[in-house]
Amino acid sequence: QSVLTQPPSVSAAPGQKVTISCSGSSSNIGNNYVSWYQQLPGTAPKLLIFDDNKRPSGIPDRFSGSKSGTSATLVITGPQTGDEADYYCETWDSSLSAVVFGGGTKLTVL
Amino acid sequence: QLHLQESGPGLVGPSETLSLTCTVFGGSISSGNAYWGWIRQPPGKELEWIGLIYYSGSTYYSPSLRSRVTISVDTSENQFSLSLRSVTAADTAVYYCARAPYDYIWGSSRPRSFYFDSWGQGTLVTVSS
Repeated sequence: QSVLTQPPSVSAAPGQKVTISCSGSSSNIGNNYVSWYQQLPGTAPKLLIFDDNKRPSGIPDRFSGSKSGTSATLVITGPQTGDEADYYCETWDSSLSAVVFGGGTKLTVL
Repeated sequence: QLHLQESGPGLVGPSETLSLTCTVFGGSISSGNAYWGWIRQPPGKELEWIGLIYYSGSTYYSPSLRSRVTISVDTSENQFSLSLRSVTAADTAVYYCARAPYDYIWGSSRPRSFYFDSWGQGTLVTVSS
């Protein structure tokens, strides 16, 4: 059972907005920064968002992150078929002194 | 452009020790602006964090694996290594190494974030006799 809770799957039509939630607690999301990763089938994860809402260079601005209280959200505006992947949230848990990942969310673009 | 490469045996026997090395290319492991980490992913399952090491040797380990894990660093070779003892079939996974920039709580030595911005391609390690 992951410390961070994500929905197992989400789906959207091309051009729609997709939101992926990540729920935690005050010992992790509530007081620490959240990162998001995209994992395409058969490949290593790729950093999409760090420090709650910052994008590394080269990541399109249709990927955005936000946080409120003990929950974080990844938003994909206008998903494409090439965005079909697993998405993971991650943060530091101060009580566990550990990096924690969410269980992952599989995005299907219909 | 930073590049990380995992290396090590793809098959390990039950109760033996899994040993992997990550070599860093295109940057110095001693740069001081990041930790270096190991993450694994059992087939068809989620990512699991294993541990982190700083070039000075300072480490953080997963509570669930701490009793079996050692991560070490060799700055002269620009490498860091993972040792996982007493493995079972449950340790079968793709093992990734990654660079982990960090942020500390202002005015303290307590971390508030690590994120993984460069990853190796991953190496599958199977535990089987």
